[in-house]
Amino acid sequence: DVKVTQSSRYLVKRTGEKVFLECVQDMDHENMFWYRQDPGLGLRLIYFSYDVKMKEKGDIPEGYSVSREKKERFSLILESASTNQTSMYLCASSFGGGASGELFFGEGSRLTVL
Amino acid sequence: RKEVEQDPGPFNVPEGATVAFNCTYSNSASQSFFWYRQDCRKEPKLLMSVYSSGNEDGRFTAQLNRASQYISLLIRDSKLSDSATYLCVVPLSGNTPLVFGKGTRLSVIA
Repeated sequence: DVKVTQSSRYLVKRTGEKVFLECVQDMDHENMFWYRQDPGLGLRLIYFSYDVKMKEKGDIPEGYSVSREKKERFSLILESASTNQTSMYLCASSFGGGASGELFFGEGSRLTVL
Repeated sequence: RKEVEQDPGPFNVPEGATVAFNCTYSNSASQSFFWYRQDCRKEPKLLMSVYSSGNEDGRFTAQLNRASQYISLLIRDSKLSDSATYLCVVPLSGNTPLVFGKGTRLSVIA
């Protein structure tokens, strides 16, 4: 069965802390994505990656960075968390050959920054 | 025009009703379209893909109108379990990530 696993379901951090959100997929997918979802704003793309060590900025990359050292793992990093980064973060992966394949999502990581 | 636009709802319908949602998109070159379903506090999951004029799967029918640049999702004989948010998803171009609409919330009432 297809699986995207996010390391933490719920996190509470303080302003200025460094935050790591980990995502692992077991489907040998080339493409991986990080979204955030906020009420009234829908899903917004933060960063994506079509291959190992490759990364591209999405629509809202400011305040975030990513790392993809291995094909199955895509990490989202908040260098210095701020309260406006309180959100639900969703990782997704898809098979290669373009971006139109079905997206498989993890269960999400709800981050609260105090 | 926004890239992908949906009526946020909520649509409140009785069990057994037929309900339809529309989604408009801005890129006339888009070739494939998707409807995802997101239950409360859960992750989105693919409901249907639409590659040509339409697609039907049981009680669900997705249709594409390229001339007017919209896709629709029709749900017949609504069930309580159909209550969810339905997300319209469109790729802007060949290799760019999918763009999600903000979703339409459906509540099916007994």
